[in-house]
Amino acid sequence: EVQLVESGGGLVQPGGSLRLSCAASGLIFSDHAMSWVRQAPGKGLEWVSTITGSGGNTYFADSVKGRLTISRDNSMNTVYLQMNSLRAEDTALYYCARGGYYAALDVWGQGTTVTVS
Amino acid sequence: EIVMTQSPATLSVSPGERATLSCRASQSVPINLAWYQQKPGQAPRLLIYGASTRAAGVPARFSGSGSGTEFTLTIDSLQSEDFAVYYCQHYNNWPPYTFGQGTKLDI
Repeated sequence: EVQLVESGGGLVQPGGSLRLSCAASGLIFSDHAMSWVRQAPGKGLEWVSTITGSGGNTYFADSVKGRLTISRDNSMNTVYLQMNSLRAEDTALYYCARGGYYAALDVWGQGTTVTVS
Repeated sequence: EIVMTQSPATLSVSPGERATLSCRASQSVPINLAWYQQKPGQAPRLLIYGASTRAAGVPARFSGSGSGTEFTLTIDSLQSEDFAVYYCQHYNNWPPYTFGQGTKLDI
């Protein structure tokens, strides 16, 4: 069974930084693009970022471009989201999901909460 | 950026009835369209990909159709566990892989 477990969320002041992690198991990790999707309280889903299986290509929503960086360690089956210059509007539940590069998001983690205040 | 528009925002139906949810893309996404279900306090769950292919374990009462810019999710014989929020998302070509704003299926 494929599992994704996010960690690293928390409370941070505006302008601060956080690094989210997503540990994957039950899959050949390097075969899959990985994505981050967020959901602000009471709002809908917002695609944030995708990284290809090799890590060679990364993509970002305009709302986070230049502030967030996505990376992966295929030896550790982990994808990261480095979040810098955080704003109040970045407050959300951040989900890690498998897929996103020419593919639907077929497996999701339970999310980690980021609060910027 | 491709804008995904879902309608209606809320759909009130009764158990046993059929629900029809719509999703429109601002430009063609061929069949690179997915539907997700989200229940309160839970992560989204993939229902449909490729506009019409059910994901593993998804009951046959869920069906997707459409191509290009117009898509439909149909849920036949609604069960109590189907009342949730449904999102469409495109994954065509270039990011951003935008989601629709969601349709809440209400009793």
